[in-house]
Amino acid sequence: TQLLEQSPQFLSIQEGENLTVYCNSSSVFSSLQWYRQEPGEGPVLLVTVVTGGEVKKLKRLTFQFGDARKDSSLHITAAQPGDTGLYLCAFNSHGSGNTGKLIFGQGTTLQVKP
Amino acid sequence: GAGVSQSPSNKVTEKGKDVELRCDPISGHTALYWYRQSLGQGLEFLIYFQGNSAPDKSGLPSDRFSAERTGGSVSTLTIQRTQQEDSAVYLCASSLGGALDQPQHFGDGTRLSIL
Repeated sequence: TQLLEQSPQFLSIQEGENLTVYCNSSSVFSSLQWYRQEPGEGPVLLVTVVTGGEVKKLKRLTFQFGDARKDSSLHITAAQPGDTGLYLCAFNSHGSGNTGKLIFGQGTTLQVKP
Repeated sequence: GAGVSQSPSNKVTEKGKDVELRCDPISGHTALYWYRQSLGQGLEFLIYFQGNSAPDKSGLPSDRFSAERTGGSVSTLTIQRTQQEDSAVYLCASSLGGALDQPQHFGDGTRLSIL
């Protein structure tokens, strides 16, 4: 059972289109993170959302944390081929000693065609 | 560069052999993490080191997996008697501290293929 469910798993769109990907759970989180991973590289942190209802913008990317802090969404406006990659949501799990190990969703693979 | 460095970038080996994967964290980062990324399982936590504290090994899948961090810097992940299901990308990350609000910086991973 996945703690974080991401949808859709795959998305192929044309340049200029808008899209939204979702990260859902039945658990409440103190924060959620979004990463983007390109082929052959490690994930890169895009944003951390902390407060229920919070909205953060990063250029054409808009991130929202649900009011109940159980879900999050990533909206991309006017997608470009450079947005192609694997988008992952994650939360910090309290391991032994309050360590910050990350638990990831399965990811959404986005392909933006020119 | 100043990022997390992993070596080798690719490793192909025969089933039953032992492998060692290396991670050089960002200078000054005291926390170091190993993750595994495979098609079927996504990205999974393996082990965490923080300073001189005992490592959190809760994610290691079997006793064939072990890791060391010498001198609080470089880390080596060792897989003994490799199996085909060990084929995956092994990612290392480091952060300034172990606190939950410290962002983790990932290396580009080692792609391990077991024949």
